[in-house]
Amino acid sequence: GEQVEQLPSILRVQEGSSASINCSYEDSASNYFPWYKQEPGENPKLIIDIRSNMERKQIQELIVLLDKKAKRFSLHITDTQPGDSAMYFCAAPTGANTGKLTFGHGTILRVHP
Amino acid sequence: GGIITQTPKFLIGQEGQKLTLKCQQNFNHDTMYWYRQDSGKGLRLIYYSITENDLQKGDLSEGYDASREKKSSFSLTVTSAQKNEMAVFLCASSWGIEQYFGPGTRLTVL
Repeated sequence: GEQVEQLPSILRVQEGSSASINCSYEDSASNYFPWYKQEPGENPKLIIDIRSNMERKQIQELIVLLDKKAKRFSLHITDTQPGDSAMYFCAAPTGANTGKLTFGHGTILRVHP
Repeated sequence: GGIITQTPKFLIGQEGQKLTLKCQQNFNHDTMYWYRQDSGKGLRLIYYSITENDLQKGDLSEGYDASREKKSSFSLTVTSAQKNEMAVFLCASSWGIEQYFGPGTRLTVL
Protein backbone atom coordinates (compact mmCIF):
# COMPACT_ATOMS: atom_id res chain seq x y z
CA GLY A 1 0.00 0.00 0.00
CA GLU A 2 0.86 3.66 -0.08
CA GLN A 3 3.51 5.00 2.33
CA VAL A 4 3.61 8.69 3.20
CA GLU A 5 6.63 10.21 4.89
CA GLN A 6 6.26 13.63 6.55
CA LEU A 7 9.01 15.89 7.81
CA PRO A 8 9.84 17.55 10.07
CA SER A 9 8.06 16.07 13.06
CA ILE A 10 8.46 19.31 15.02
CA LEU A 11 8.82 22.79 13.57
CA ARG A 12 9.39 25.96 15.57
CA VAL A 13 9.22 29.32 13.83
CA GLN A 14 9.05 32.96 14.76
CA GLU A 15 5.79 34.81 14.22
CA GLY A 16 5.73 36.43 10.79
CA SER A 17 8.15 33.97 9.23
CA SER A 18 7.30 31.10 6.86
CA ALA A 19 6.86 27.46 7.78
CA SER A 20 7.32 24.54 5.39
CA ILE A 21 6.28 20.93 5.79
CA ASN A 22 7.31 18.28 3.31
CA CYS A 23 5.75 14.96 2.38
CA SER A 24 6.70 12.21 0.00
CA TYR A 25 4.66 9.32 -1.34
CA GLU A 26 5.35 6.11 -3.23
CA ASP A 27 2.41 5.39 -5.53
CA SER A 28 2.81 7.33 -8.76
CA ALA A 29 -0.92 6.84 -9.43
CA SER A 30 -1.86 8.96 -6.39
CA ASN A 31 -3.83 11.97 -7.57
CA TYR A 32 -5.11 13.80 -4.50
CA PHE A 33 -3.11 15.29 -1.64
CA PRO A 34 -4.95 16.88 1.28
CA TRP A 35 -3.56 18.73 4.28
CA TYR A 36 -5.26 18.65 7.67
CA LYS A 37 -4.78 20.92 10.67
CA GLN A 38 -5.50 19.55 14.13
CA GLU A 39 -5.55 21.84 17.14
CA PRO A 40 -5.16 20.35 20.65
CA GLY A 41 -8.27 18.44 21.67
CA GLU A 42 -9.92 19.02 18.31
CA ASN A 43 -10.55 16.88 15.25
CA PRO A 44 -8.42 17.19 12.10
CA LYS A 45 -9.82 19.76 9.68
CA LEU A 46 -9.15 19.87 5.95
CA ILE A 47 -7.40 23.17 5.22
CA ILE A 48 -6.20 22.79 1.65
CA ASP A 49 -5.75 20.08 -0.96
CA ILE A 50 -4.24 19.70 -4.40
CA ARG A 51 -5.00 17.32 -7.23
CA SER A 52 -2.48 15.86 -9.62
CA ASN A 53 -3.48 18.16 -12.49
CA MET A 54 -2.01 21.11 -10.58
CA GLU A 55 1.49 22.02 -9.42
CA ARG A 56 0.59 24.87 -7.10
CA LYS A 57 -2.44 25.99 -5.15
CA GLN A 58 -2.85 28.90 -2.78
CA ILE A 59 -5.57 29.76 -0.30
CA GLN A 60 -4.73 32.96 1.55
CA GLU A 61 -1.51 32.27 3.48
CA LEU A 62 -1.43 28.56 2.59
CA ILE A 63 0.50 27.36 -0.44
CA VAL A 64 0.69 23.74 -1.57
CA LEU A 65 3.24 22.58 -4.12
CA LEU A 66 3.17 19.24 -5.90
CA ASP A 67 6.12 17.66 -7.73
CA LYS A 68 4.71 14.52 -9.33
CA LYS A 69 8.01 13.50 -10.85
CA ALA A 70 9.72 13.47 -7.45
CA LYS A 71 6.54 12.24 -5.72
CA ARG A 72 6.70 15.06 -3.22
CA PHE A 73 4.30 17.69 -2.01
CA SER A 74 4.65 20.43 0.51
CA LEU A 75 2.69 22.92 2.58
CA HIS A 76 4.00 26.43 3.07
CA ILE A 77 2.46 28.81 5.55
CA THR A 78 3.51 32.37 4.91
CA ASP A 79 3.44 35.09 7.60
CA THR A 80 2.78 32.61 10.40
CA GLN A 81 0.68 33.64 13.38
CA PRO A 82 0.35 32.04 16.84
CA GLY A 83 -3.04 30.69 15.70
CA ASP A 84 -1.23 28.57 13.13
CA SER A 85 0.28 26.52 15.97
CA ALA A 86 -1.16 23.02 15.61
CA MET A 87 -0.47 19.53 14.33
CA TYR A 88 -0.49 19.27 10.53
CA PHE A 89 -1.01 16.06 8.57
CA CYS A 90 -0.48 15.33 4.93
CA ALA A 91 -2.14 12.39 3.20
CA ALA A 92 -2.25 10.53 -0.09
CA PRO A 93 -4.73 8.01 -1.52
CA THR A 94 -4.28 4.33 -0.68
CA GLY A 95 -4.90 2.28 -3.80
CA ALA A 96 -6.98 3.27 -6.80
CA ASN A 97 -10.53 4.49 -6.19
CA THR A 98 -10.76 3.13 -2.66
CA GLY A 99 -11.45 6.48 -1.02
CA LYS A 100 -8.86 5.54 1.61
CA LEU A 101 -6.09 7.88 2.64
CA THR A 102 -2.69 7.12 4.11
CA PHE A 103 -1.62 9.84 6.53
CA GLY A 104 1.82 11.11 7.37
CA HIS A 105 2.85 10.98 11.01
CA GLY A 106 2.20 14.67 11.49
CA THR A 107 4.18 17.85 12.13
CA ILE A 108 3.79 19.85 15.32
CA LEU A 109 4.12 23.52 14.38
CA ARG A 110 4.86 26.04 17.12
CA VAL A 111 4.77 29.72 16.19
CA HIS A 112 6.52 31.85 18.78
CA PRO A 113 5.58 35.51 19.28
CA GLY B 1 -23.29 21.63 5.73
CA GLY B 2 -23.32 18.50 7.76
CA ILE B 3 -21.97 17.26 11.01
CA ILE B 4 -20.37 14.14 12.42
CA THR B 5 -21.11 13.25 16.02
CA GLN B 6 -19.29 10.70 18.10
CA THR B 7 -20.43 9.21 21.38
CA PRO B 8 -19.23 9.06 24.00
CA LYS B 9 -16.74 11.92 24.03
CA PHE B 10 -14.79 10.26 26.85
CA LEU B 11 -14.72 6.54 27.59
CA ILE B 12 -13.09 4.93 30.59
CA GLY B 13 -12.89 1.17 30.57
CA GLN B 14 -11.44 -1.72 32.49
CA GLU B 15 -8.88 -4.18 31.17
CA GLY B 16 -10.58 -6.94 29.20
CA GLN B 17 -13.81 -5.02 28.80
CA LYS B 18 -15.70 -4.85 25.53
CA LEU B 19 -16.31 -1.22 24.60
CA THR B 20 -18.45 0.28 21.85
CA LEU B 21 -18.00 3.66 20.20
CA LYS B 22 -20.64 5.22 17.97
CA CYS B 23 -20.52 7.62 15.06
CA GLN B 24 -23.32 9.39 13.19
CA GLN B 25 -23.10 11.63 10.11
CA ASN B 26 -25.74 13.66 8.32
CA PHE B 27 -23.69 14.50 5.25
CA ASN B 28 -25.34 11.55 3.47
CA HIS B 29 -21.82 10.34 2.71
CA ASP B 30 -21.39 6.81 1.40
CA THR B 31 -18.07 5.96 3.05
CA MET B 32 -17.25 6.03 6.72
CA TYR B 33 -13.97 5.35 8.54
CA TRP B 34 -12.61 4.62 11.97
CA TYR B 35 -9.09 5.78 12.82
CA ARG B 36 -6.99 5.45 15.92
CA GLN B 37 -4.72 8.31 16.94
CA ASP B 38 -2.13 7.82 19.64
CA SER B 39 -0.80 10.85 21.46
CA GLY B 40 1.15 13.15 19.14
CA LYS B 41 1.05 10.63 16.33
CA GLY B 42 -0.60 10.05 12.99
CA LEU B 43 -3.86 8.38 12.11
CA ARG B 44 -4.11 4.66 11.56
CA LEU B 45 -7.11 3.17 9.79
CA ILE B 46 -8.96 0.49 11.73
CA TYR B 47 -12.02 -0.20 9.59
CA TYR B 48 -13.92 1.50 6.83
CA SER B 49 -17.24 0.96 5.08
CA ILE B 50 -18.21 2.06 1.60
CA THR B 51 -21.94 1.55 2.05
CA GLU B 52 -24.54 0.26 4.48
CA ASN B 53 -23.66 -3.25 5.75
CA ASP B 54 -20.23 -3.14 4.08
CA LEU B 55 -17.09 -3.59 6.16
CA GLN B 56 -13.44 -3.40 5.09
CA LYS B 57 -10.39 -3.96 7.27
CA GLY B 58 -7.78 -1.28 7.64
CA ASP B 59 -4.21 -1.59 8.84
CA LEU B 60 -5.14 -1.93 12.52
CA SER B 61 -8.26 -4.11 12.55
CA GLU B 62 -7.00 -6.76 14.97
CA GLY B 63 -8.67 -6.34 18.34
CA TYR B 64 -11.61 -4.42 16.88
CA ASP B 65 -14.98 -5.11 15.30
CA ALA B 66 -17.16 -2.66 13.41
CA SER B 67 -20.71 -2.44 12.15
CA ARG B 68 -22.36 -0.19 9.57
CA GLU B 69 -25.93 -0.47 10.69
CA LYS B 70 -27.22 2.15 8.29
CA LYS B 71 -25.79 4.74 5.95
CA SER B 72 -25.60 7.40 8.62
CA SER B 73 -24.03 5.36 11.41
CA PHE B 74 -20.87 3.35 11.94
CA SER B 75 -19.93 1.78 15.26
CA LEU B 76 -16.61 0.43 16.49
CA THR B 77 -16.10 -2.18 19.20
CA VAL B 78 -12.90 -2.68 21.13
CA THR B 79 -13.20 -6.41 21.74
CA SER B 80 -10.92 -6.54 24.80
CA ALA B 81 -9.53 -3.31 26.18
CA GLN B 82 -5.80 -3.37 26.94
CA LYS B 83 -4.56 -2.12 30.30
CA ASN B 84 -3.14 1.44 30.26
CA GLU B 85 -4.34 1.95 26.71
CA MET B 86 -4.94 5.59 25.87
CA ALA B 87 -5.91 6.80 22.43
CA VAL B 88 -8.35 8.96 20.50
CA PHE B 89 -10.68 7.22 18.07
CA LEU B 90 -11.70 9.39 15.16
CA CYS B 91 -14.62 8.70 12.88
CA ALA B 92 -14.67 10.22 9.40
CA SER B 93 -16.93 10.18 6.38
CA SER B 94 -16.49 10.99 2.72
CA TRP B 95 -18.24 11.24 -0.61
CA GLY B 96 -15.41 10.74 -3.06
CA ILE B 97 -12.07 11.25 -1.40
CA GLU B 98 -12.47 14.35 0.79
CA GLN B 99 -12.73 13.08 4.35
CA TYR B 100 -14.34 14.98 7.20
CA PHE B 101 -13.67 14.05 10.80
CA GLY B 102 -15.78 13.83 13.90
CA PRO B 103 -14.67 15.26 17.27
CA GLY B 104 -13.29 11.95 18.52
CA THR B 105 -13.73 9.62 21.48
CA ARG B 106 -10.93 9.61 24.04
CA LEU B 107 -10.40 6.16 25.48
CA THR B 108 -8.61 5.47 28.75
CA VAL B 109 -8.25 1.94 30.07
CA LEU B 110 -7.53 1.56 33.77
